[in-house]
Amino acid sequence: ELVLTQSPATLSLSPGERATLSCRASQSVSTSLAWYQQKPGQAPRLLIYDASARATGIPPNFSGSGSGTDFTLTISSLGPEDFAVYYCQQRGNWPFTFGPGTKVDIK
Amino acid sequence: QVQLVESGGGVVQPGRSLRLACEASGFTFSSYGMHWVRQAPGKGLEWVAVIWDDGTNKYFVDSVKGRFTISRDNSKNTLYLQMNSLRVEDSAVYFCARDRSKGAAGYYFEYWGQGTLVTVSS
Repeated sequence: ELVLTQSPATLSLSPGERATLSCRASQSVSTSLAWYQQKPGQAPRLLIYDASARATGIPPNFSGSGSGTDFTLTISSLGPEDFAVYYCQQRGNWPFTFGPGTKVDIK
Repeated sequence: QVQLVESGGGVVQPGRSLRLACEASGFTFSSYGMHWVRQAPGKGLEWVAVIWDDGTNKYFVDSVKGRFTISRDNSKNTLYLQMNSLRVEDSAVYFCARDRSKGAAGYYFEYWGQGTLVTVSS
């Protein structure tokens, strides 16, 4: 089974700072990767699909990049609403799996 | 706007059954694949099952194959998950989610319900 690894596990930053989150796949998924944001007690929200396409209604300060096995989610300037857990998810290899998540918290 | 509302969760003993439902509104339900995704308390996300728009194709994660079934009633805009032979490790919040793509499932989860909690305990 393909494994997704996310790093770091926790990212402590201040509002206004840039966040860079990593997702690494144990084998290539091409660009078949998505990113989700989840806040406590809420459902996840789709941010990015196909590695770099923003989902409907997602602001441009969220961007995704990468292909193959290495992917990055960048939040250019953290707003107070951006502190959350972020998951990557691949649909390149069956079964389709999620990474363990990166928690972005306030420094 | 798109709304997905799950129901049917609760506390159940190991080996028993439970049926979850997800009522959809705000979009043409019969045009989209639908998924169940679960999250154990304090843990990450796990995709569980998918059913394509017309119900012809259904797929499951290995851990629930033979125990869970997924179905839909497009006339009622409702998705179901029948869970049999429940195990302690099935305890989780179960989310229904709409696929991003019309027709065949694309396996990106664009809209989510608020989830329903299933606790399997003796």
